[in-house]
Amino acid sequence: GENVEQHPSTLSVQEGDSAVIKCTYSDSASNYFPWYKQELGKRPQLIIDIRSNVGEKKDQRIAVTLNKTAKHFSLHITETQPEDSAVYFCAASTAYKLVFGAGTILRVKS
Amino acid sequence: DSGVTQTPKHLITATGQRVTLRCSPRSGDLSVYWYQQSLDQGLQFLIQYYNGEERAKGNILERFSAQQFPDLHSELNLSSLELGDSALYFCASSVSQGSATGELFFGEGSRLTVL
Repeated sequence: GENVEQHPSTLSVQEGDSAVIKCTYSDSASNYFPWYKQELGKRPQLIIDIRSNVGEKKDQRIAVTLNKTAKHFSLHITETQPEDSAVYFCAASTAYKLVFGAGTILRVKS
Repeated sequence: DSGVTQTPKHLITATGQRVTLRCSPRSGDLSVYWYQQSLDQGLQFLIQYYNGEERAKGNILERFSAQQFPDLHSELNLSSLELGDSALYFCASSVSQGSATGELFFGEGSRLTVL
């Protein structure tokens, strides 16, 4: 089945710096790659997603890139702010199953 | 508010017991997903239903079962509970017609503590 690996597990950045989180997936049939943000004690919420027919997608300070050949995708957050502090999960989907990575704890220091 | 309702929010029980977690999806969503989130763990996919039918299974233990009813609400049954079953159980729904290629809307979760 699908396996998603996510790195790093913890990331600390200074406010205003960029943050990059990387994920790899195992199933070449995966065609949908969302990113979810989970604040402490809250539910996960979708922040951006990308489909397999697109290489890059951007939404304000957040961007996601996808390399289908290498089977990896990344989340880029620019100009980080304290409210970006949270756990970020990548995921990959094949048909009916959405499999999540282990998560990255992002801490933005002000 | 995601529109997905989960009950109960908190549940404390003893080893060997059985519990039922309930989920009402967003209005109009036919797909329901169940995930388990243990301490320091990611979101482990358990099972997905679409319009009453099981569509995909993940790492769901044999002691666990689920179903989706005609009114589209879903229940996750956990039996012969062990200490390791203590976790936050999330339900999510999606408008996607059975495939997991659209946004999932998560409920607030049901926190299960097994003593």
